[in-house]
Amino acid sequence: DIQLTQSPSFLSASVGDRLTITCRASQGIGSYLAWYQQTPGKAPNLLIYAASTLQSGVPSRFSGSGSGPEFTLTISSLQPEDFATYYCQQVDSYPRTFGQGTKVEIK
Amino acid sequence: EVQLVESGGGLAQPGGSLRLSCAASGFTFSDHYMDWVRQAPGKGLEWVGRIRNRVNSYTTEYAASVKGRFTISRDDSKNSLYLQMNSLKTEDTAVYYCARVQSSSYGRDYFDYWGQGTLVTVSS
Repeated sequence: DIQLTQSPSFLSASVGDRLTITCRASQGIGSYLAWYQQTPGKAPNLLIYAASTLQSGVPSRFSGSGSGPEFTLTISSLQPEDFATYYCQQVDSYPRTFGQGTKVEIK
Repeated sequence: EVQLVESGGGLAQPGGSLRLSCAASGFTFSDHYMDWVRQAPGKGLEWVGRIRNRVNSYTTEYAASVKGRFTISRDDSKNSLYLQMNSLKTEDTAVYYCARVQSSSYGRDYFDYWGQGTLVTVSS
């Protein structure tokens, strides 16, 4: 199985901050990676797919990059509604796997 | 508007069974692969399995943790997805989400719509 390791697991930040979350795959997965945002009590929401493609309706302050084993999710200017948990997911092979999550909290 | 609504969650005993349903609307259900994803309380996301569409013979994939115990099926005439869970274990306790797969193309099968989830608790 492909393991996805996110760093950091927890992040404390302020509104307006630039934020970067990293996801490292245990083997090459090309660009077959997505990022999801989940707020408490809600279902996850697709932000980025194919490593860098912004899902329709997602604000442009979110961006993704990377390929092969290392990927990043960047939020250019953190907004109050962005305090959430973020997960990466690979779709290169079965079983589909997720990273352990990165929780972003208000400093 | 795309909607996915899960139902059927509740309390089950270890070794017992439960059947979850996911009612879909707002899109051509029969065209899409559909997946189940679960989340144990306070934990991360875990993929459970997939069922492909009719064009791809309704074939399925499962996570190792549920293979042989869980069965995914669908009824395109009712726009519904199902998860039959047998031989339940305490570690199956989780919120179960159904999710629409965006595209059947390789490497583009992300989850673009999710249901609100239904809680399954396995306890004696």
